[in-house]
Amino acid sequence: DVKVTQSSRYLVKRTGEKVFLECVQDMDHENMFWYRQDPGLGLRLIYFSYDVKMKEKGDIPEGYSVSREKKERFSLILESASTNQTSMYLCASSWTGTGNQPQHFGDGTRLSIL
Amino acid sequence: GESVGLHLPTLSVQEGDNSIINCAYSNSASDYFIWYKQESGKGPQFIIDIRSNMDKRQGQRVTVLLNKTVKHLSLQIAATQPGDSAVYFCAEGMNTGFQKLVFGTGTRLLVSP
Repeated sequence: DVKVTQSSRYLVKRTGEKVFLECVQDMDHENMFWYRQDPGLGLRLIYFSYDVKMKEKGDIPEGYSVSREKKERFSLILESASTNQTSMYLCASSWTGTGNQPQHFGDGTRLSIL
Repeated sequence: GESVGLHLPTLSVQEGDNSIINCAYSNSASDYFIWYKQESGKGPQFIIDIRSNMDKRQGQRVTVLLNKTVKHLSLQIAATQPGDSAVYFCAEGMNTGFQKLVFGTGTRLLVSP
C-alpha cells in the first residue's frame, strides 16, 4: 500500500512564525501535492511538484512556498504565518502514468495559528 | 469557473441498504473522475476512479456511474455497513498535462445499525 506520512498531526504556531510542514511518501511517486481543507470549501491546491526541484503554483499559493530536494519528500513552508492560514493541510502523491492517476493522501496536519 | 458539486450534503441510510451519492461536474473537458472516502481524523482514501471512455466501473461493493451527457457522476455502495459512515467526495481532472484534480465539497453518509 502507498504510504504518505505527514510529520505532525497537530501543530500550534504564532502569527509571524515561519512554519514547516513535512511530507514523505514511500512509493517513488513523481508527483506530490499540498492542499488545504476548510469546511464548505473542499480541498484547494496550494502547490504541486512533478519532479525533484520542480514546483508549480496551485490555486491558492499566496503566503506559501514549497521545497522538493528529494523525490520522496515535499515540504510546505508558511513564510510568515497568519491566522487565516489556520486549516487542515493535506499532502498527496501520485504516479505519472498513462493519463491521470489517483492521488494518495496522508492523514493531514491540523495547523492552528494564534 | 470550474466546479465540482454534490446534490446532497448528508445522506442517512440503514445498514444493509444500498447508498447512492451524486456529484455534478461543470467542466465538459474533464475526462478523469475519482471518488474518495474521508473518515473523521483521517486523510481522503481512494475508492474508485473512472475515465471518460467508460460509463460504469465496479469495485468491491462500489459502482461508479458516469453520465457525460448531463455531466453527472454517482457512487453506489451496496449493502451499506456502519463502517461506510464517512464523508465522500468526488474529484475531476484531465488525462493530459499536470495531474491536477478539482474536488467537490463532500457528502456525509450516516449509516444506522
